[in-house]
Amino acid sequence: EAGVTQFPSHSVIEKGQTVTLRCDPISGHDNLYWYRRVMGKEIKFLLHFVKESKQDESGMPNNRFLAERTGGTYSTLKVQPAELEDSGVYFCASSPGTSVLQTQYFGPGTRLLVL
Amino acid sequence: AQKITQTQPGMFVQEKEAVTLDCTYDTSDPSYGLFWYKQPSSGEMIFLIYQGSYDQQNATEGRYSLNFQKARKSANLVISASQLGDSAMYFCATTNNAGNMLTFGGGTRLMVKP
Repeated sequence: EAGVTQFPSHSVIEKGQTVTLRCDPISGHDNLYWYRRVMGKEIKFLLHFVKESKQDESGMPNNRFLAERTGGTYSTLKVQPAELEDSGVYFCASSPGTSVLQTQYFGPGTRLLVL
Repeated sequence: AQKITQTQPGMFVQEKEAVTLDCTYDTSDPSYGLFWYKQPSSGEMIFLIYQGSYDQQNATEGRYSLNFQKARKSANLVISASQLGDSAMYFCATTNNAGNMLTFGGGTRLMVKP
């Protein structure tokens, strides 16, 4: 069974440009999550999808970030326009359900560098 | 809100010895889960082990065990018989009451010496 995949693995863009990150969850997982780790900080939750619906987007930093999950399969996270402080690693995770004991399975992350 | 504290930014351990990675947590939720993930240099986050707050016994998975002390709010990871491939970053995390959000600690970098 394939794990969570993310594309691209690395992205280098200039401030003001747009970048779109993609996440393919484990097949059959209705729950999809985005996290990020900016330099020197902890990994932080961004948002949670259940199928195509945004269940919790309390961690989205501002309106430059837009996440979608059309059709309830893969998800995209767009940053527009990118700022220097957006540099970091963006992780996607998925799970079949949600509970306090539900394991979230992570992808390899996308390393974003904004110059 | 949940908070996870990992007080050891870096640790060395001799190959084949056991090592304990510390994790303390703070949560007001009555029910929660505690998780450990490993992040090798390749970057992926690998799930290792979890413990439910109501579990009476400490969780074990192969060479990994979780020393859960609820009264002290600690969930330390014990790795027995360290191997060179254990060198990685290790993250402790807890879920919120809804089970949809993980809160992570800052991580501990473990280096296994041959």
